[in-house]
Amino acid sequence: RKEVEQDPGPFNVPEGATVAFNCTYSNSASQSFFWYRQDCRKEPKLLMSVYSSGNEDGRFTAQLNRASQYISLLIRDSKLSDSATYLCVVTYNFNKFYFGSGTKLNVKP
Amino acid sequence: EPEVTQTPSHQVTQMGQEVILRCVPISNHLYFYWYRQILGQKVEFLVSFYNNEISEKSEIFDDQFSVERPDGSNFTLKIRSTKLEDSAMYFCASSVRDNEQFFGPGTRLTVL
Repeated sequence: RKEVEQDPGPFNVPEGATVAFNCTYSNSASQSFFWYRQDCRKEPKLLMSVYSSGNEDGRFTAQLNRASQYISLLIRDSKLSDSATYLCVVTYNFNKFYFGSGTKLNVKP
Repeated sequence: EPEVTQTPSHQVTQMGQEVILRCVPISNHLYFYWYRQILGQKVEFLVSFYNNEISEKSEIFDDQFSVERPDGSNFTLKIRSTKLEDSAMYFCASSVRDNEQFFGPGTRLTVL
C-alpha cells in the first residue's frame, strides 16, 4: 500500500473556478503535512503547511482530517499561474518525508 | 531571499563512475535532505541529515550512497558506482527545524 495517495488528474478547470484536491495517507502516526507545488522540470516549492485546525493563505485553504487520514487543498478563483502539479507530503518520525505522486492542475482561459 | 543552491545543474557520467552532487543549504538551516525524482515519477526521499549525522534514510539509500557536510556550508551526495537506474533529478533541501523544507533547483544526473 502506498504511503501517500493522490488522484493524478489532470484537473482541467476554467479561470476563476474553485478546485479541490484530496490526499490520503496510510500511517496514522503521521506527524506533519504539507502541500507543495511543482512546475514542469522544476523543484517542489512549499505552498503551505497543513494544521489540524485547518488553515488559509489567500485563495488557498488546507484541511486535515486525522480520523479519515486525508488532507485537502482548496483553490478559489483559479488563475492561469496556478497550473502546476500539487504534491501532498506527509512525515513520520519527523525526519522521513513521503511525497504523493501529485495531482496535475490545468487552468484554462 | 535566501535559497538553496545546487551544482552542477546537469551531470553526465559513465556507468560505474563515482559522482558527487553538491548543495549549499540556506545558511541558518540545521536539517538537510536529499531526494531524487526519476523522470515522470514522484519525488522520493533518500536521506536526512542533522547534527553531522544521518537521522533517517530510505531503502533506496544503500551502500552506494553517502552524504557529507565537509565544511560549514556544503552538503554533498556521493554515488560510488553509478548505475543506469541512478539517472534522475536529485534535489537537495534544507529546513530550520524538521518541518518546512526549501528545495534547491536540482541536479539532473544522466548515467550512460
